[in-house]
Amino acid sequence: NAGVTQTPKFQVLKTGQSMTLQCAQDMNHNSMYWYRQDPGMGLRLIYYSASEGTTDKGEVPNGYNVSRLNKREFSLRLESAAPSQTSVYFCASRAGLAGGYEQFFGPGTRLTVL
Amino acid sequence: AQTVTQSQPEMSVQEAETVTLSCTYDTSENNYYLFWYKQPPSRQMILVIRQEAYKQQNATENRFSVNFQKAAKSFSLKISDSQLGDTAMYFCAFMNLNAGNMLTFGGGTRLMVKP
Repeated sequence: NAGVTQTPKFQVLKTGQSMTLQCAQDMNHNSMYWYRQDPGMGLRLIYYSASEGTTDKGEVPNGYNVSRLNKREFSLRLESAAPSQTSVYFCASRAGLAGGYEQFFGPGTRLTVL
Repeated sequence: AQTVTQSQPEMSVQEAETVTLSCTYDTSENNYYLFWYKQPPSRQMILVIRQEAYKQQNATENRFSVNFQKAAKSFSLKISDSQLGDTAMYFCAFMNLNAGNMLTFGGGTRLMVKP
């Protein structure tokens, strides 16, 4: 099992450009999450999807959109990138009660917006 | 809304010794879990230990144990017999089971294990 995979690993954008971060999990989890981590800080939730077909805003949703394409895939889109969106982005999926509600994280995408 | 506070930005410990990382949280919820995650230089987030709020017994995983004080809203992590591979950022996190099971993270403690 690959767990949670993210693409790309690194990306440099210019202000105003758009891009989509891809995330996939092979653990048959219902819930998936997108977080951002700024230097020296903990992770903050951008959006989450409790189940296929549903999405909800987290703590810092402005400037982002998400799509839960199917049970496996959850993408994050930046429509018009800004320097304030320079960060490391993590995708996660969550086990259910039997798995102790553990969230499994992808390796992260380092995004720089110039 | 929940808040999680880690008051020690950096700590160091000698190899083989014991260190305790502090975490406090603020919530009005009763149905929640608490977690400690480790983030080594590779950036990968790795679960260290979890505690269910309804359990009075403190969780233990090999060299890692917690001191969960529910009334005081305190959740510290003790690492025994510290190893060089324990060098990492450690994040305390709160999960509200009544609100999407999302995680709220503290700001982290950078732990350096010295040989």
